[in-house]
Amino acid sequence: GDSVTQMEGPVTLSEEAFLTINCTYTATGYPSLFWYVQYPGEGLQLLLKATKADDKGSNKGFEATYRKETTSFHLEKGSVQVSDSAVYFCALIRDQAGTALIFGKGTTLSVSS
Amino acid sequence: NAGVTQTPKFQVLKTGQSMTLQCAQDMNHEYMSWYRQDPGMGLRLIHYSVGAGITDQGEVPNGYNVSRLNKREFSLRLESAAPSQTSVYFCASQGSGEAFFGQGTRLTVV
Repeated sequence: GDSVTQMEGPVTLSEEAFLTINCTYTATGYPSLFWYVQYPGEGLQLLLKATKADDKGSNKGFEATYRKETTSFHLEKGSVQVSDSAVYFCALIRDQAGTALIFGKGTTLSVSS
Repeated sequence: NAGVTQTPKFQVLKTGQSMTLQCAQDMNHEYMSWYRQDPGMGLRLIHYSVGAGITDQGEVPNGYNVSRLNKREFSLRLESAAPSQTSVYFCASQGSGEAFFGQGTRLTVV
């Protein structure tokens, strides 16, 4: 079945460091890929998405590129801030026609000043 | 612009008690779902609905029932709560691919 694998956390960085959170997926067809972020005590918010191969999603300085050849969607940010401390989830939807999001287990990011 | 509204935000139940978690969306979406979030497990799908009166099981459906009486509302019921159901529950409403989440219900079963 479809699945998403994320790097284990927690990830601890100093402010202004470079961030990479790895995500790979297994799915039939051409899924859409997402990164969601969960700040402490809150629900999940969409951070960015990509719907086809080679698309790059970007938002708030975060980027991820849909790589079909490596079935990956790694999240990157050039310079993290303390306010980026959160849990990040990689997810996929197999198709647009009303199927469930499949999530990775989440990666906790902690940024210190 | 409410989006997805979940109630309650917190709940403590005794083993064997029942309760219903409520979820409503104002985005006219057909697809709604319930997830539970546990440490180290990510979000796991409990049940989902593709429209009023149409529901199906997800990955972890045992111990839960759902009801979708109309497009707007999707409720999750625990008939006889167990400590293993201690978790944070999220309702989601999905349009053309993207999902919108409620703020979550933190449930503790003692």
